Amino acid sequence: DGGITQSPKYLFRKEGQNVTLSCEQNLNHDAMYWYRQDPGQGLRLIYYSQIVNDFQKGDIAEGYSVSREKKESFPLTVTSAQKNPTAFYLCASSIGGTTNYGYTFGSGTRLTVV
Amino acid sequence: SQKIEQNSEALNIQEGKTATLTCNYTNYSPAYLQWYRQDPGRGPVFLLLIRENEKEKRKERLKVTFDTTLKQSLFHITASQPADSATYLCALLTASGTYKYIFGTGTRLKVLA
Repeated sequence: DGGITQSPKYLFRKEGQNVTLSCEQNLNHDAMYWYRQDPGQGLRLIYYSQIVNDFQKGDIAEGYSVSREKKESFPLTVTSAQKNPTAFYLCASSIGGTTNYGYTFGSGTRLTVV
Repeated sequence: SQKIEQNSEALNIQEGKTATLTCNYTNYSPAYLQWYRQDPGRGPVFLLLIRENEKEKRKERLKVTFDTTLKQSLFHITASQPADSATYLCALLTASGTYKYIFGTGTRLKVLA
């Protein structure tokens, strides 16, 4: 089955630690995205990548970093500079170069600072 | 400032009735608008896309309208079922060419048996 796999499902981070969230897709999509979802707020875009080895900051990129070394993979690192990282993180992909199709989302990773 | 508004209050309707959800926006000129369904603890699932030059789109029991004059989209579920209970999100693509969608906060729908 084609889709997006996010791991882990739950992640606990201690103060001052960096953590990396995994996102892998086998849909052959060019574009990939990371969103953050907080209660009562819409999904907010952290980073996006339209092709391999290229990515752009979204609306709330501070304290986060990404890489796109392979088409299938778009990992997100939450650094210690992110002051309020507790949230539900969603990875998505789409067919690049067209807007006729919606995004395919993963199941999400819930990150909690302990 | 740019804003997308969906009714934050939950919508409760009786099984078999038509559910109508609203998405209003200000200071956008969206080229495309999408609707997604999200279940608790899961990622959103794409339902429908409508373009600015389309007035209405249908898919099975779902219907979406797009009124660029009123700056509003309506999402209808006819013959609603308890299984339709979920949060529904609208998302706008501005005509900026970046293929980034802006998401609303969603409206929670509960269909009562």
